[in-house]
Amino acid sequence: DVKVTQSSRYLVKRTGEKVFLECVQDMDHENMFWYRQDPGLGLRLIYFSYDVKMKEKGDIPEGYSVSREKKERFSLILESASTNQTSMYLCASSLFGGRLDEQFFGPGTRLTVL
Amino acid sequence: GEDVEQSLFLSVREGDSSVINCTYTDSSSTYLYWYKQEPGAGLQLLTYIFSNMDMKQDQRLTVLLNKKDKHLSLRIADTQTGDSAIYFCAEGYTDKLIFGTGTRLQVFP
Repeated sequence: DVKVTQSSRYLVKRTGEKVFLECVQDMDHENMFWYRQDPGLGLRLIYFSYDVKMKEKGDIPEGYSVSREKKERFSLILESASTNQTSMYLCASSLFGGRLDEQFFGPGTRLTVL
Repeated sequence: GEDVEQSLFLSVREGDSSVINCTYTDSSSTYLYWYKQEPGAGLQLLTYIFSNMDMKQDQRLTVLLNKKDKHLSLRIADTQTGDSAIYFCAEGYTDKLIFGTGTRLQVFP
């Protein structure tokens, strides 16, 4: 079974802190995604990556950056956390990417910014 | 731009059928998906349908696609308490998926 793990289930940070959310997948998938999930808004894509060291902006990249130094690991970085970044963050991976491919999700990290 | 819409809540009695509806905007979508999110978990793919199909059945799940109206539905027969979850439809769009807002299904005895 594909396993996507996220470094923390719950995280509490203060405004202005730099925050790292880590995601690791164990199935040698090419593609990895970061979403945030908010009530009534569904999932919104922040960033995605098709290959090591490659990244593409999603629909809401402002205030975020990403890093993919190794194929299995995709990190989401909040350079200076703000209260409006309080949310559930979901990481996903897929083998081929694009519209034909199933995405496998991690359990999520619930981030609270005070 | 692309938009995928769902109603936010659905409440059904155990044993009844549930129908979750979704409308999408991109007529060029090749695949449409239904994902399920149980409490405290990530999303899991439930089923998908090719855009050249009208219907797909998989045990208790029936997916109906009306491409003309850009309307997708998921019917769950004999709904059980374990079906309580958030259900997301998603359309395949170029190189990514566009997810709907999610429908929270609550099943009561």
